[in-house]
Formats: sequence, structure tokens, C-alpha cells
Amino acid sequence: SQQGEEDPQALSIQEGENATMNCSYKTSINNLQWYRQNSGRGLVHLILIRSNEREKHSGRLRVTLDTSKKSSSLLITASRAADTASYFCATDVGGAQKLVFGQGTRLTINP
Amino acid sequence: GAVVSQHPSWVICKSGTSVKIECRSLDFQATTMFWYRQFPKQSLMLMATSNEGSKATYEQGVEKDKFLINHASLTLSTLTVTSAHPEDSSFYICSAVVSGANVLTFGAGSRLTVL
Repeated sequence: SQQGEEDPQALSIQEGENATMNCSYKTSINNLQWYRQNSGRGLVHLILIRSNEREKHSGRLRVTLDTSKKSSSLLITASRAADTASYFCATDVGGAQKLVFGQGTRLTINP
Repeated sequence: GAVVSQHPSWVICKSGTSVKIECRSLDFQATTMFWYRQFPKQSLMLMATSNEGSKATYEQGVEKDKFLINHASLTLSTLTVTSAHPEDSSFYICSAVVSGANVLTFGAGSRLTVL
């Protein structure tokens, strides 16, 4: 069964705006990861946040983690058309990098 | 960086035939690989964990006789969809664990269409 639920399922914004995606999960985790998938392609790892971390930055990406609410958010600042993709959160529920993915958010950046 | 190659990237086959998809770690050894299935506009569903030199571990609801997984070397895992049917049409993605890292490296995926 899916561990993560993401919202919104789809998000369309103008280039230059910020995009925020949310992820909720059900069980305890060691870490939470965000991946990006361009249409019809494999996944690319974006960022990992450990359960003892609350916020992490990487370039234009900012991830937060609230273990008390079992939720995480991914913020993409100053969006670009090339950011158009699906974004998935993933949690390690079985150890050894066995990940369970959320439903994903389809992000469209309009030029 | 670590690269995982998946082949073929797309395949069309007739119903009843078997299709083999390869997943290779190009510049690292992968004792563990994972196979996912993804339907259009949906998330990835873990099918099985492929372990080098031992039997794969299948997720609940995945038919092991239908989806044969072989991980005979530290750089290659194969997924064979046996007696494929149209409902097996999907996007199959593999990933590998880079030793010492907490992240997965994914292949580009293989799109299977069964006519």
C-alpha cells in the first residue's frame, strides 16, 4: 500500500513563482526523500532529509519535515519552465533503501 | 556519478510472449536492485527486491511466476514478464543501491506494450 499521500495532485503556476508540494506519510521513518520524474523517464533524486532534521536546502529547493505531523513539504523557488515534471516523496519503510512512493504532484510551469 | 542503464527503453510484443528487461549498474556494484511498475499518471509500485545470488523478494500481490527476476551478477538484474497480456502493459523501472549511500539510482525505465 502507498505510504505517502501528496497534494496537490497537480499544480500549474507561472514561471518565476514558487511551487510548494506537500507529502504526508503514515509510519515512522528514518528519512524522507524527494524525487523528480520527467514524463516517461526514470526518477532523479533531489534531496534527502533525515528524521532528526527539520529543514534542508539545496539550490532552489527547500524541504521541511515535521515528524510530529508526519508530513513534509518541497518548495521550489523562482520556478523555471524546465522544472515541469512530476515530483514524488518517498519514505524508507523497510530499510535497506526499500522505498515507498507517494502519489506524486504533477507540476507545470507556464512560461 | 552512479549510473543505471535499463534496456530496452521500449518494447512492443504480442500477447502470450515473454519479454526480458535488463537493469545494469554501469560504474558500481549493486547487490540489491528494486523493480517498480508505474501506470500512466500514477506512482511507482514496488514489485520486488532483487538480491544478487539469491531469490528475489516479491511484494504482496505480485506473481513471482509471472514476473521472473534474476540477479546473477553484481551489475545485472533482469525482469522477465512471462506470457505477457495487455494488462501487463506498463512502465517498468529499476533502481539500484549505491553502497554506502542512502539514495537510489534509477534507470530510465522500460515501456512495455502488449498487443
